[in-house]
Amino acid sequence: DAGVIQSPRHEVTEMGQEVTLRCKPISGHDYLFWYRQTMMRGLELLIYFNNNVPIDDSGMPEDRFSAKMPNASFSTLKIQPSEPRDSAVYFCASTFGRNTEAFFGQGTRLTVV
Amino acid sequence: GENVEQHPSTLSVQEGDSAVIKCTYSDSASNYFPWYKQELGKRPQLIIDIRSNVGEKKDQRIAVTLNKTAKHFSLHITETQPEDSAVYFCAAVLDRGSTLGRLYFGRGTQLTVWP
Repeated sequence: DAGVIQSPRHEVTEMGQEVTLRCKPISGHDYLFWYRQTMMRGLELLIYFNNNVPIDDSGMPEDRFSAKMPNASFSTLKIQPSEPRDSAVYFCASTFGRNTEAFFGQGTRLTVV
Repeated sequence: GENVEQHPSTLSVQEGDSAVIKCTYSDSASNYFPWYKQELGKRPQLIIDIRSNVGEKKDQRIAVTLNKTAKHFSLHITETQPEDSAVYFCAAVLDRGSTLGRLYFGRGTQLTVWP
C-alpha cells in the first residue's frame, strides 16, 4: 500500500476563496482523522470518522469548516471562505481499529493570503 | 473529554545523555498511549506505544512507562544521538464512551541533542 495519500501538498489561496483538501486512507483502515498543525496550537484534532461516519467534530473551528467521507477510500476537508488564520499544515491519518498505530499522510501546507 | 498535557515543551541535552518527556491524561477511559516523532518538515511517525495492561515497554534506546493510577506516562531515550533531534508527541486513545477511538495529542516536545 502507498500509505495515506493527501492532496494537494501545497496550496496558496486568496482570502475568501474555497479550499478543498483531500485524503485517501490506507485500504482496510476504518478510522480517519483530520488534524491541523500550527506552532502555537500543536496537533489539533478537527474531526474523525469511524466506518465513514463522523464521530466527533467538536474540534472544527467554525462553520466555515466542513468534512465528508463519502466512502471508505476518500475524505475531504473544505474551508469556505478561507481566512489568513487558517494557514497551517493539515494532516490526515488513518488506523485499523482504535488502539493501533495511526499512519499520517504527508500533509497539506495551506497558505491563505 | 480527554486532555493530554506534555512537559517540557523544549529539551536540550548533550549527545550520550538521557532525555525524559512526561505526559498526563485526564480520562481513565484512555487505554492506549502511543508516542510519535516528527522530524522537521515531515509527518509524525510512531516510535513506541503502550497499552494499559502494561507498566513498561522497551525498544532498544527507547522506553515508555505508564502509571494508570496517577494517569501519567513517560518517554525515556537513553544514549541520545543528534538524529534523535525532533518534536515528540504523546497521545492517548479513549476506549469507551461516545468519542470511542478519539486520538488526543499532547502539545509536543522539541528535543535538541547537541554533539
